[in-house]
Amino acid sequence: QSVLTQPPSVSAAPGQKVIISCSGSTSDIGNHYVSWYQHLPGTAPKLLIYDNNKRASGIPDRFSGSKSGTSATLGITGLQTGDEAEYYCGTWWGTWDSGPSGGGVVFGGGTKVTVL
Amino acid sequence: EVQLVESGGDLVQPGGSLRLSCATSGFTFSNYWMHWVRQVPGKGLVWVSRINSDGSTITYADSVKGRFTISRDNAKNTLYLQMNSLRADDTAVYYCARVLTGAWFFDLWGRGTLVTVSS
Repeated sequence: QSVLTQPPSVSAAPGQKVIISCSGSTSDIGNHYVSWYQHLPGTAPKLLIYDNNKRASGIPDRFSGSKSGTSATLGITGLQTGDEAEYYCGTWWGTWDSGPSGGGVVFGGGTKVTVL
Repeated sequence: EVQLVESGGDLVQPGGSLRLSCATSGFTFSNYWMHWVRQVPGKGLVWVSRINSDGSTITYADSVKGRFTISRDNAKNTLYLQMNSLRADDTAVYYCARVLTGAWFFDLWGRGTLVTVSS
């Protein structure tokens, strides 16, 4: 199963907005929910967004997610220095009716967010 | 405290074996599917394997099928990954992560354990 496609890096000044894209296919994003994770080196990845657009517990509304067709996006507004991290999208692949127990899991290659 | 703690990573020669553990605490382990995900240093996350709540359903990525075995001990709240016939391209940080039964996302991850395969 191919990796989902993310831009290697995005950057913006503090207070500005960045959008991270995640592109897949009908067998993965097109057929399943997308989630987003924040990862700092040496730490545990952290769930930000699940089921395409729901924020995980404790995640500020500066973070938002959306999905359309075979692509998804993560938006971060009011950028802060603490947002500098690697961000990954993830989803399942396989047929929808097989549920979370079917197919497998695929992630994007990661996007490094830099606050200028 | 709700947490996942991986252990067992080490330096091993090509062709060797290693067993990783993921000790869990603070939640009902048997309510969750458990997964292993790995990350080559400097690269992205790659899914490795998953096991359902009672251990009866298991799936592997093609890259590890036939070499790795995932298992769990619900009495000990611990997940395992037995890795055999290790290759240089298995070198990575290995993370365990949980998925609530019926959900489509990883809501908790561990900090990972480093496996280095080298002669």
